[in-house]
Amino acid sequence: ETGVTQTPRHLVMGMTNKKSLKCEQHLGHNAMYWYKQSAKKPLELMFVYSLEERVENNSVPSRFSPECPNSSHLFLHLHTLQPEDSALYLCASSQDYQGLNSPLHFGNGTRLTVT
Amino acid sequence: DQQVKQNSPSLSVQEGRISILNCDYTNSMFDYFLWYKKYPAEGPTFLISISSIKDKNEDGRFTVFLNKSAKHLSLHIVPSQPGDSAVYFCAASAGDMRFGAGTRLTVKP
Repeated sequence: ETGVTQTPRHLVMGMTNKKSLKCEQHLGHNAMYWYKQSAKKPLELMFVYSLEERVENNSVPSRFSPECPNSSHLFLHLHTLQPEDSALYLCASSQDYQGLNSPLHFGNGTRLTVT
Repeated sequence: DQQVKQNSPSLSVQEGRISILNCDYTNSMFDYFLWYKKYPAEGPTFLISISSIKDKNEDGRFTVFLNKSAKHLSLHIVPSQPGDSAVYFCAASAGDMRFGAGTRLTVKP
């Protein structure tokens, strides 16, 4: 399997639940990202990992917790979310972090609904 | 602070004609610009890019133009095809990549 794979594709969770989103990249890239896409808004960068080290956390609430166990896998742990957290969560990878001519390769996203 | 703006949420074009998608940015430090295309239920896919040292980059039916003095980026698709119907995002990078909100292109047969 090639590219960036995200699971699950759809997730419905209550505000008291704990769930995790999973991302796997098969491209040999060194950087991985979590983005949030809300309706009619630009993609918002949440977290960046470069060589398995977190390099950016864009003021994301602590109810979102990322984990990067190795260069191919990225998780987003979710707990006590709010209804306004409902969105499409996209994982992406790139050859290098902040590398020129290093486009992002996206997964198909997880559509999250918080009830 | 939205540094990358796509002011047209939608665009409709007849098949065979030119589609022109526009993007404006505010950060003069951006040195790498990209266009992504997104179909429903899929993630964005990279389409074409341009670095700030160029003003034009062409790949088949797709051409990206960069006007640094105006801080303006455009994507031309010619001829447009129904399969080009998608949401197009522009992005700009000075390290971190910033995205516009997208323009939905509809190409009518």
